Amino acid sequence: EIVLTQSPGTLSLSPGERASLSCRASQSVNSNYLAWYQQKPGQAPRLVIFGASSRATGIPNRFSGSGSGTDFTLTISRLEPEDFAVYYCHQYGASLHTFGQGTKVEIK
Amino acid sequence: EVQLEQPGVEVKKPGESLKISCKASGYRFVSYWIGWVRQTPGKGLEWMGIIYPGDSETRYSPAFQGNVTISADKSIATAYLQWSSLKASDTAMYFCARGSSPVLDDAFDIWGQGTTVIVSS
Repeated sequence: EIVLTQSPGTLSLSPGERASLSCRASQSVNSNYLAWYQQKPGQAPRLVIFGASSRATGIPNRFSGSGSGTDFTLTISRLEPEDFAVYYCHQYGASLHTFGQGTKVEIK
Repeated sequence: EVQLEQPGVEVKKPGESLKISCKASGYRFVSYWIGWVRQTPGKGLEWMGIIYPGDSETRYSPAFQGNVTISADKSIATAYLQWSSLKASDTAMYFCARGSSPVLDDAFDIWGQGTTVIVSS
């Protein structure tokens, strides 16, 4: 089973700042099948990035994904108030998927 | 509109059985994988398993294998997650989610609103 480790656990930033979230895999993720989700309190997760770098439908272009192999990054270029949430990475390249433990992006 | 509909809350006692549903609409149910994801209070997401309704191929996380059963009924476009004997530790929110591409085991683009399962004596 591939273990995904996200860092940092919490990111305290101000609106307008840049956020960089890391997701490291215990082994290479096949075909870069790595997704990122945003979850706000009381809501279901929402797909943000799939295939490591492709934005999902309706996701603004301030969100970008990068990386390959075992190291992946979600970047939010300029934080908007609605971006403060918890973000999870998810690998679906192996027959058994796994999620990271999440990074909370909070208002400083 | 593509949707996954789940019941809101289920309250059960330890040792009881439970089957929660995930009713799909707005797309060809048999062609897309459906996954189940657990979220315990204040905790993160845990991938439990996945099913392809077209042929009922199913995979389970080792953490959940043997403790739950995932199934699907093509005739009513509904996936299920069931327990034969609930424990207090099964108290959690359970989401179903759809793989984003036909046939392929993919990222989850559509999510149900989640079912809260409370197991308490």
